[in-house]
Amino acid sequence: ETGVTQSPTHLIKTRGQQVTLRCSSQSGHNTVSWYQQALGQGPQFIFQYYREEENGRGNFPPRFSGLQFPNYSSELNVNALELDDSALYLCASSLDGADTQYFGPGTRLTVL
Amino acid sequence: QQQVKQSPQSLIVQKGGISIINCAYENTAFDYFPWYQQFPGKGPALLIAIRPDVSEKKEGRFTISFNKSAKQFSLHIMDSQPGDSATYFCATHRGSTLGRLYFGRGTQLTVWP
Repeated sequence: ETGVTQSPTHLIKTRGQQVTLRCSSQSGHNTVSWYQQALGQGPQFIFQYYREEENGRGNFPPRFSGLQFPNYSSELNVNALELDDSALYLCASSLDGADTQYFGPGTRLTVL
Repeated sequence: QQQVKQSPQSLIVQKGGISIINCAYENTAFDYFPWYQQFPGKGPALLIAIRPDVSEKKEGRFTISFNKSAKQFSLHIMDSQPGDSATYFCATHRGSTLGRLYFGRGTQLTVWP
């Protein structure tokens, strides 16, 4: 059984740029949730994708967008990067949107 | 608005001691209470979870105690080991909000050898 994987591991961007982060869900899981974890804080829910549809969104602006593909992998896109977007971005997968979620290792994004 | 309040922010325990981390919530609609362990530079790993129909769940050295009337739950780590040094997060989930977890701010646990 393959766990949740994310790429890239680290990323450095400058303010105003755009970034795409990728996530492959655990084998058999059809739901992916994205979280932002600022330094020293708990993860904050960005949005969730279930069977390729957005299924709930947290308190994040529209410049945070996502996709889920037929194989249930997912992308998180952030446009017009701001300094405060610097964080660890986590994706978590589950089956049928279940509350039991398994997290990937995260992508560390630094915005300069 | 913090949906779940976690304390303490940091905890230092001697090897072999008991580590206790507490969380409190307000919304009685929450129906799933997991604990996650996170090491530096890694993603959170699911440690143990409980649902409100039981008051305690034990897995190895880790125990969750759940008090529904007080709207509190806690993680107890028995015989704490240096390898348990990590940040621990409690979380809650409401069945109607498919898959969204609300996390506490975390507790940084240090176990001295």
